[in-house]
Amino acid sequence: GAVVSQHPSRVICKSGTSVKIECRSLDFQATTMFWYRQFPKQSLMLMATSNEGSKATYEQGVEKDKFLINHASLTLSTLTVTSAHPEDSSFYICSANILGTSGGAETQYFGPGTRLLVL
Amino acid sequence: DQQVKQNSPSLSVQEGRISILNCDYTNSMFDYFLWYKKYPAEGPTFLISISSIKDKNEDGRFTVFLNKSAKHLSLHIVPSQPGDSAVYFCAASAQGGSEKLVFGKGMKLTVNP
Repeated sequence: GAVVSQHPSRVICKSGTSVKIECRSLDFQATTMFWYRQFPKQSLMLMATSNEGSKATYEQGVEKDKFLINHASLTLSTLTVTSAHPEDSSFYICSANILGTSGGAETQYFGPGTRLLVL
Repeated sequence: DQQVKQNSPSLSVQEGRISILNCDYTNSMFDYFLWYKKYPAEGPTFLISISSIKDKNEDGRFTVFLNKSAKHLSLHIVPSQPGDSAVYFCAASAQGGSEKLVFGKGMKLTVNP
């Protein structure tokens, strides 16, 4: 099956620092990658959609200057949380659509997530 | 505004019995619904889906029922197995599943041996 990895799985940082999270499709090329955030006892919320080589599309209420997304290749997307604050502490999870598929919801494969704690 | 609601945070059932997980939605534009299963330290994995043109979809032990008039869907697992213990997310999408996924908060299912 299609595998999506994320690195790191867990990160603790000081307030004001920047944190980079990587999302990789290991055995397939991805047309589109998605970044979600999940606060405790809340839903997975879509933050942004990124396509290789183009700018990410951010959901309403998500600050694009704070959450920088770089989709450099068909197998790698990165999310950088800039000047992180305690309220950014959350579970960040990515997903990817397989290149060549219809791009529908069923072909989204999720990574294991990254737990960010900002002190 | 929670467009997809899973009102029960947890469910515990005995092995071999039926598990029924419920989900409600508010957005009439949703026409494609999915269930995901999530184990700890892993990402959600797709389980089963249903289009709004159907009211039932079955895949082995898993059946999803859709009641469009009530904006309600449910996932039935029969018979339940201990390996089914996980968090289950309901998700909805518009445009036949090509629009973004909107998730519920998830529900933890525990199947006791």
